[in-house]
Amino acid sequence: QKEVEQDPGPLSVPEGAIVSLNCTYSNSAFQYFMWYRQYSRKGPELLMYTYSSGNKEDGRFTAQVDKSSKYISLFIRDSQPSDSATYLCAMVISFGNEKLTFGTGTRLTIIP
Amino acid sequence: GAVVSQHPSRVICKSGTSVKIECRSLDFQATTMFWYRQFPKQSLMLMATSNEGSKATYEQGVEKDKFLINHASLTLSTLTVTSAHPEDSSFYICSASRPGAYEQYFGPGTRLTVT
Repeated sequence: QKEVEQDPGPLSVPEGAIVSLNCTYSNSAFQYFMWYRQYSRKGPELLMYTYSSGNKEDGRFTAQVDKSSKYISLFIRDSQPSDSATYLCAMVISFGNEKLTFGTGTRLTIIP
Repeated sequence: GAVVSQHPSRVICKSGTSVKIECRSLDFQATTMFWYRQFPKQSLMLMATSNEGSKATYEQGVEKDKFLINHASLTLSTLTVTSAHPEDSSFYICSASRPGAYEQYFGPGTRLTVT
């Protein structure tokens, strides 16, 4: 079993829809959670990061963490064609072990 | 913001030659930088972690004599692929983190093609 599970998709939704992207993890030692967006042939771009359970909002993006269920989500409101990309969840155990453990990534396409 | 640059963005070299890739944090000091490799439609694979002024820590299976990493300053790390072969062709991406922070900021990547 992988430490971090993420549905690879592909996921296609119409423009304007709310997108829900999810990851589950098995190691309860993970404490810090990030979401990255990666366009084809580009480096990942940090979208959101959070250190605690609950919701964190930034513009059209909301990151949700449920440590008790070992489940994290990224919601995208009012999705745009420019949101079409691969979305990667990533997590870190603690200071002194800063390696990111990634999900496999979900390919998202927003249909105009 | 937290901007990380990489140079070159694309390089083509002949088999047997060495290639150097630079990674710079432009607006912050990065005590730790990371080097990744990514194959098409796959997630990132960590190659090594480098801390300023000390030797890099390589992941299992990564040849440290082939992939030389130097982190000479708080804003610059370099990856040198020595005696490159076609199987080294890949997308190489660096990242950097601020002191005390966990989130990593990635560079735009370098596409290496070895002919």
